[in-house]
Amino acid sequence: RKEVEQDPGPFNVPEGATVAFNCTYSNSASQSFFWYRQDCRKEPKLLMSVYSSGNEDGRFTAQLNRASQYISLLIRDSKLSDSATYLCADSGAGSYQLTFGKGTKLSVIP
Amino acid sequence: EADIYQTPRYLVIGTGKKITLECSQTMGHDKMYWYQQDPGMELHLIHYSYGVNSTEKGDLSSESTVSRIRTEHFPLTLESARPSHTSQYLCASTQGGTDTQYFGPGTRLTVL
Repeated sequence: RKEVEQDPGPFNVPEGATVAFNCTYSNSASQSFFWYRQDCRKEPKLLMSVYSSGNEDGRFTAQLNRASQYISLLIRDSKLSDSATYLCADSGAGSYQLTFGKGTKLSVIP
Repeated sequence: EADIYQTPRYLVIGTGKKITLECSQTMGHDKMYWYQQDPGMELHLIHYSYGVNSTEKGDLSSESTVSRIRTEHFPLTLESARPSHTSQYLCASTQGGTDTQYFGPGTRLTVL
């Protein structure tokens, strides 16, 4: 079974800190990767898609390392509102199904 | 942003009742999915559909059934609800040619 593994949480960081999450995947044929943000008792919301080496959107940067089969998510200048669980997912090889990791919980504290 | 809707948002029901959880999307997405997620736990795929009249079971065995008679509608049915069915049920859809899934707000089901 193809798997996606994420850093165990929780991560407790002060406001303004930079935090990085790693996610490893076992399916070497995977082409597309995603980071979702999920607030408590809410649905996952797409944060970022990663199709090539990486992607950047404001304070958020995702990087893909195909040789080592991991993707990372970097959050700069953490805000209290960044507190959530971050889910990593990969799409396998054209299966149209996503394999999700268990998620990493982030708490940004004042 | 995606327009995907789920009803009801919350449901508390007694054991043995038949229930149907509704999921609709207005984007014409051909692929739709149902996930089950317990609090603080990972998402488990229980059903998916790649188009009208196409449904498949997911990785997690589920006593629920689904149907896909119309592109925009993917309801999930439990014939006889049990306390073990208590969970959050999330519906998602994908636009053609991509793998990006967009989620509905979920239905939180409690079976007493």
